Amino acid sequence: GAVVSQHPSWVICKSGTSVKIECRSLDFQATTMFWYRQFPKQSLMLMATSNEGSKATYEQGVEKDKFLINHASLTLSTLTVTSAHPEDSSFYICSAKPDSSTDTQYFGPGTRLTVL
Amino acid sequence: TQLLEQSPQFLSIQEGENLTVYCNSSSVFSSLQWYRQEPGEGPVLLVTVVTGGEVKKLKRLTFQFGDARKDSSLHITAAQPGDTGLYLCAGNRGSEKLVFGKGTKLTVNP
Repeated sequence: GAVVSQHPSWVICKSGTSVKIECRSLDFQATTMFWYRQFPKQSLMLMATSNEGSKATYEQGVEKDKFLINHASLTLSTLTVTSAHPEDSSFYICSAKPDSSTDTQYFGPGTRLTVL
Repeated sequence: TQLLEQSPQFLSIQEGENLTVYCNSSSVFSSLQWYRQEPGEGPVLLVTVVTGGEVKKLKRLTFQFGDARKDSSLHITAAQPGDTGLYLCAGNRGSEKLVFGKGTKLTVNP
């Protein structure tokens, strides 16, 4: 149980294009999901908290107009990187907190984004 | 300042050795999680500890939550090459957001 999937697992795009990453909780409902970014050899950096049915809450320094988050259902959140640039290249990881859980988050396998 | 200090940052040991990774803070956490992450993959949950003084065992891994819920440790007995990875501690401070440590990169050499 508690499986989270991400799609795609990797993507290469040209500078200026937009990329959408999906995060799904496969066997549980998650009102709250989270989006993280991880640079090489570093820990995870929280970008935003995704709330089903309401606007996402972004961490300080994260551009909400560049990183669009939509939490359309209790099992799906999407992150769209708009007008991507090479500096947006990174490993993006989502997590989901089961509605039945108070604290524990389960992570997806991550999406490697490379912007040329 | 880092809210959760993990040590050591890097650890390279031989197969069969024991090791302990520490996660310390001056803040109290309502719960603390340990994750293991391999290159190119997402973190995988190992354990959640919620009670001060709690000890949990997962095969050769022993997790302890400090009495004051400010620190935690992960002890691995007879490490194996398959234990190689990045070990991350993460804590909750009453909100849904997790605070992560910087991680301990463990390498177990055959």
